Parts: sequence; C-alpha cells; structure tokens
Amino acid sequence: QKEVEQNSGPLSVPEGAIASLNCTYSDRGSQSFFWYRQYSGKSPELIMFIYSNGDKEDGRFTAQLNKASQYVSLLIRDSQPSDSATYLCAVKVGYGGATNKLIFGTGTLLAVQP
Amino acid sequence: DTGVSQDPRHKITKRGQNVTFRCDPISEHNRLYWYRQTLGQGPEFLTYFQNEAQLEKSRLLSDRFSAERPKGSFSTLEIQRTEQGDSAMYLCASMTQGYSYGYTFGSGTRLTVV
Repeated sequence: QKEVEQNSGPLSVPEGAIASLNCTYSDRGSQSFFWYRQYSGKSPELIMFIYSNGDKEDGRFTAQLNKASQYVSLLIRDSQPSDSATYLCAVKVGYGGATNKLIFGTGTLLAVQP
Repeated sequence: DTGVSQDPRHKITKRGQNVTFRCDPISEHNRLYWYRQTLGQGPEFLTYFQNEAQLEKSRLLSDRFSAERPKGSFSTLEIQRTEQGDSAMYLCASMTQGYSYGYTFGSGTRLTVV
C-alpha cells in the first residue's frame, strides 16, 4: 500500500462547478497535510495545509480532514480554467528526532472545461 | 527573500556524463530537501539537510548520487555516470525549523539524459 494515494484522473469539471479532489494516507500517526498545485512543467506550489479534523477554508478552496478515516480532500468552488493543473496531496511524516519530510501522492489532474 | 533558486533550469547530457545541480534556499531556512519527479508521478524524497548535516538519504539515492551543503547555505546534487533513467525534474525545497507550513520549492532542474 502506498503511503499517500490519489486518483490520477483526469477529473473534468465544467467552469463554475465544484471540483472535489481526494486523498488517503496510510500512517495513522500523521498530523500535517498539504495540498500543492502543479502546472505542467512547473514546480509545486503550496495552496492549503490542514492539521485539525474538519474543514479549513481559504477563498475558493476548502480542505477537509478526517483522521479517523485517514482521508483528506480539497474542494475548489467556482472552478476556473486557470485551476486546471495537477493537485498533489502531501503528508508530513517523521516524529521526534526523525526527519520531518513530506510524502507526496501521484497527483490528480484537474481539467476545468470553459 | 527571493525564494528558492535552482540552477540550471534545464540540462541535457549524454549518458555516462556527470552533472551537478545547485540549490540556493531561502536565506533563513536551515532545512533543505532534494526530490525527484518523473512524468505522471509525485515528487519522491531523495535527501535532507539540516544546516550542513545530511541527516537522511533515500534508498532512491544510489552510489552515483551525492549531495552536499558545505556551509549550511547552498546545496549541490551531483549525479555521476548518468543513465537514461535519471531523466527527471530535480526539485529543491527549503523550510525553517519549527515552521510547519510545508515546503517552498524551487523552480526545479529538468534533466534529460540522451
């Protein structure tokens, strides 16, 4: 089982719709979760992070975390063609003296249709 | 603060040649990470520095790979005797200790081995 799993997509949504991106993780002790956006040929860009169960909203983006189910999601409201990109879920692993590093999923390709 | 800088942006090399990449992290960040990303995959952890100490190396980092951060500032990643399988985007990221908001990535170095 991979440490962080995402559906590779593509996920196609019409402009103005809500895009829902999902991620599951295997390490029950993980505490910090991140969503990165990556445009083709570019490096990942951090868009959201979440530590606590529940929802966290930032503009059109909402991150949702359910630690009991080991599930993280990202909702994008009023999707725009400029949101078309690969969305990477990342989980921070490492505790105490161990390396704190991010483990990434393979990413979900989102395509917003005008 | 100009962000994380990587050089070169692109490198084409012949199989068997050695290549070296440079990363300049954000100046106050004492943690530096190298990742590799191939097409359709998420970034994969290679190695981590805290100041000048290399604290963790992934099994992905074969003996042909070496990384240094001699003065705790910039870092270099060298690949000796390159193989076609080394073709990838090499990403550098930095973070300050105790700052739990995720990494800042550089623009990456795209390596093509022909």
